Amino acid sequence: ETGVTQTPRHLVMGMTNKKSLKCEQHLGHNAMYWYKQSAKKPLELMFVYNFKEQTENNSVPSRFSPECPNSSHLFLHLHTLQPEDSALYLCASSQGAGVGEKLFFGSGTQLSVL
Amino acid sequence: AQRVTQPEKLLSVFKGAPVELKCNYSYSGSPELFWYVQYSRQRLQLLLRHISRESIKGFTADLNKGETSFHLKKPFAQEEDSAMYYCALSGSSNTGKLIFGQGTTLQVKP
Repeated sequence: ETGVTQTPRHLVMGMTNKKSLKCEQHLGHNAMYWYKQSAKKPLELMFVYNFKEQTENNSVPSRFSPECPNSSHLFLHLHTLQPEDSALYLCASSQGAGVGEKLFFGSGTQLSVL
Repeated sequence: AQRVTQPEKLLSVFKGAPVELKCNYSYSGSPELFWYVQYSRQRLQLLLRHISRESIKGFTADLNKGETSFHLKKPFAQEEDSAMYYCALSGSSNTGKLIFGQGTTLQVKP
């Protein structure tokens, strides 16, 4: 499959669970991103990775732990989340991480924290 | 602080009417501005960007630094233009960080 693929599409978890979101891109891009989309709020950038190195952490709580083992894969590990963390989590990639880069988005993981 | 404001949550027009989706930004440097679009049951995708000076699907957007605006315009709306539109700003030269507005839903009625 081409483009940016996110799994799972939907996830329901309890506050004490540990789960992971996965993102994979087949575009040969070097930068990958996690965004959070909550109801009534703009898309919020969480993390940026460029050539597997984290270049941006937008003051994200430590219960969200990203991992980028290579330029094609990005994970978001979730631990002891809160109900307010329920949101759509979007992964994106771009060729580079400079100004003016076009972002390619996945379909997102809809997360519900009970 | 970097901020993007889209004042309208919903814009409803009739087919063939002109459309203007408003976007204002706050940024102290020289920004790059974008419009992203999400059609029903599709993923978020780039519509156009300021640096390309392009017209996509009949849409154009002009950066007005005096008014700090980047409004999206189309002279004659089509039903297939119905979607969620997000204005976004990139001002970081290092991380490609995109700041998004809250989005405007465009509804084009037949």
